[in-house]
Amino acid sequence: KQEVTQIPAALSVPEGENLVLNCSFTDSAIYNLQWFRQDPGKGLTSLLLIQSSQREQTSGRLNASLDKSSGRSTLYIAASQPGDSATYLCAVWGDGNKLVFGAGTILRVKS
Amino acid sequence: GAVVSQHPSRVICKSGTSVKIECRSLDFQATTMFWYRQFPKQSLMLMATSNEGSKATYEQGVEKDKFLINHASLTLSTLTVTSAHPEDSSFYICSARGQLGNNEKLFFGSGTQLSVL
Repeated sequence: KQEVTQIPAALSVPEGENLVLNCSFTDSAIYNLQWFRQDPGKGLTSLLLIQSSQREQTSGRLNASLDKSSGRSTLYIAASQPGDSATYLCAVWGDGNKLVFGAGTILRVKS
Repeated sequence: GAVVSQHPSRVICKSGTSVKIECRSLDFQATTMFWYRQFPKQSLMLMATSNEGSKATYEQGVEKDKFLINHASLTLSTLTVTSAHPEDSSFYICSARGQLGNNEKLFFGSGTQLSVL
């Protein structure tokens, strides 16, 4: 059974700092890995999707990497801003097109 | 862009009542819809997968008679929590998958916070 773990559970940084969020998964037989953002009491916004054949994806200040063989992904956020404060969720796509989510990292960027 | 509308965003109800949550895809046809539940500070857990016109497939441990899912059209799926109890209080999120242009996309609703007193 696929399990997804995210570290740290919470992170508080000053504005402008670069930061890395970590995600690991137990079963490397995944199709894709996706990073989402969730604001309090809201739905999910897709940030980046990495296909299993890819190593990384970039969008603006965000860069996500994938090392399928070791079961790891990182989300790098450059020059963090208070508006980046949210919960970041990592999810892997497996059999049956099902998403398995991690518990998330709660990020707070202080101004 | 494509939007998935989920309604209501928040509901408070008495124990024993039934609550219906709607999930609509506004500008694409959702061949598959997923329903998730999220407890505070925990992962989103998939409850069930529904394909238009067929019965939903429930994940292990999810009671199909308690969480009734209907996907009667390509743009609407509903989740009914029957005889709700306080332990059913949670954040419920739907997602819809469908073809948008040449790609298959997955979009999430904004969620429903259910509080059962």
